[in-house]
Amino acid sequence: GDSVTQMEGPVTLSEEAFLTINCTYTATGYPSLFWYVQYPGEGLQLLLKATKADDKGSNKGFEATYRKETTSFHLEKGSVQVSDSAVYFCALSSQHLIQGAQKLVFGQGTRLTINP
Amino acid sequence: DGGITQSPKYLFRKEGQNVTLSCEQNLNHDAMYWYRQDPGQGLRLIYYSQIVNDFQKGDIAEGYSVSREKKESFPLTVTSAQKNPTAFYLCASSIVGRLRFSGANVLTFGAGSRLTVL
Repeated sequence: GDSVTQMEGPVTLSEEAFLTINCTYTATGYPSLFWYVQYPGEGLQLLLKATKADDKGSNKGFEATYRKETTSFHLEKGSVQVSDSAVYFCALSSQHLIQGAQKLVFGQGTRLTINP
Repeated sequence: DGGITQSPKYLFRKEGQNVTLSCEQNLNHDAMYWYRQDPGQGLRLIYYSQIVNDFQKGDIAEGYSVSREKKESFPLTVTSAQKNPTAFYLCASSIVGRLRFSGANVLTFGAGSRLTVL
């Protein structure tokens, strides 16, 4: 079945450091890919998404590129801030579900802590 | 503002009791979902519903039940048959689209309910 594997955490960085959180996936067909972020005590919020190969999703300084050849969707940010401290989830939505409910498959999450 | 409201935020249950978690949305979304979150395991799908009066089992439905009598509401009951119910429960909703790139696959999440079995 479909699956998502994320870089294990926790990840601790200093403010203004470069961030990469690795995400690779296994899926049949051409899934859509997502990064969600969860701040302490809250639900998940969509951070960015990409729906086809070579698409780049971006939001709030974060970027991720859908790489079909390496089945990856790594999250990057050039200069992190303390406010970026959260848990980040990579997820995919199976391509064959082109209508109906969307069953997202999530990675295990990566906890990121940014120190001032 | 449109969104998803989950209640209660925190819930304590004695072993052997059933508890019901509420999820209400005012986004006019057709589809609703329940996920369970455990530390280090990501989110796992419990149940989902595409339309009123219809719902489907997800990957870990055993010990849970749901109903979808109204479009806005999708309550989850954690029954005494659930062996390890202590977890963070997240409700989500989405539109139901016909096109792959329609944005239908973006889920909106509630703030979650934390259930602890004493």
